[in-house]
Amino acid sequence: DQQVKQNSPSLSVQEGRISILNCDYTNSMFDYFLWYKKYPAEGPTFLISISSIKDKNEDGRFTVFLNKSAKHLSLHIVPSQPGDSAVYFCAAKVSGGSNYKLTFGKGTLLTVNP
Amino acid sequence: EAGVAQSPRYKIIEKRQSVAFWCNPISGHATLYWYQQILGQGPKLLIQFQNNGVVDDSQLPKDRFSAERLKGVDSTLKIQPAKLEDSAVYLCASSLGFPSGGFETQYFGPGTRLLVL
Repeated sequence: DQQVKQNSPSLSVQEGRISILNCDYTNSMFDYFLWYKKYPAEGPTFLISISSIKDKNEDGRFTVFLNKSAKHLSLHIVPSQPGDSAVYFCAAKVSGGSNYKLTFGKGTLLTVNP
Repeated sequence: EAGVAQSPRYKIIEKRQSVAFWCNPISGHATLYWYQQILGQGPKLLIQFQNNGVVDDSQLPKDRFSAERLKGVDSTLKIQPAKLEDSAVYLCASSLGFPSGGFETQYFGPGTRLLVL
């Protein structure tokens, strides 16, 4: 049972345009959400996160939006650059305690064309 | 600051053989994680250590997988015997172990790509 779903396996955008990556979750206990970026032959690297007490978090070209009622979050990249081409993973966790387990989606391959 | 180190980077074995992976976390990180990433899937947590104690191993197939973190630093993950479905990338990650605001960043190593024939 997939608790974190990324329904688009791939996305292709033009350089300079906006990239929007989507993520849905089913576990209402999740209260912290993260996006990781992964290049081939490398481990995932943390990109941006958002707590469930917020609906938006911005860091430079990257913005994450959270819609708790819809159990949906999205990552916006503006403007997109060729170096952003990578697999993006959405992840979620339940805060509190000593268990820091992340539940990941399957990932979306973003290709930014020059 | 050195990142999370893992070895080997690649391993090919035959089914029913044994294999071991090694991880050296970022210095000072109390928490260490092993994830399994099957092709086309996201990483799945196998086990989480806090120092040298196990916090969560609920998704570790304990009949064939074992992991240890002696002295609370390096860790090894072992598979014995391996099955075809164990073919995956095994990722090690570490974090400080003192979350702020319910969150702390997990830093991932490059992974070990295992192919079981």
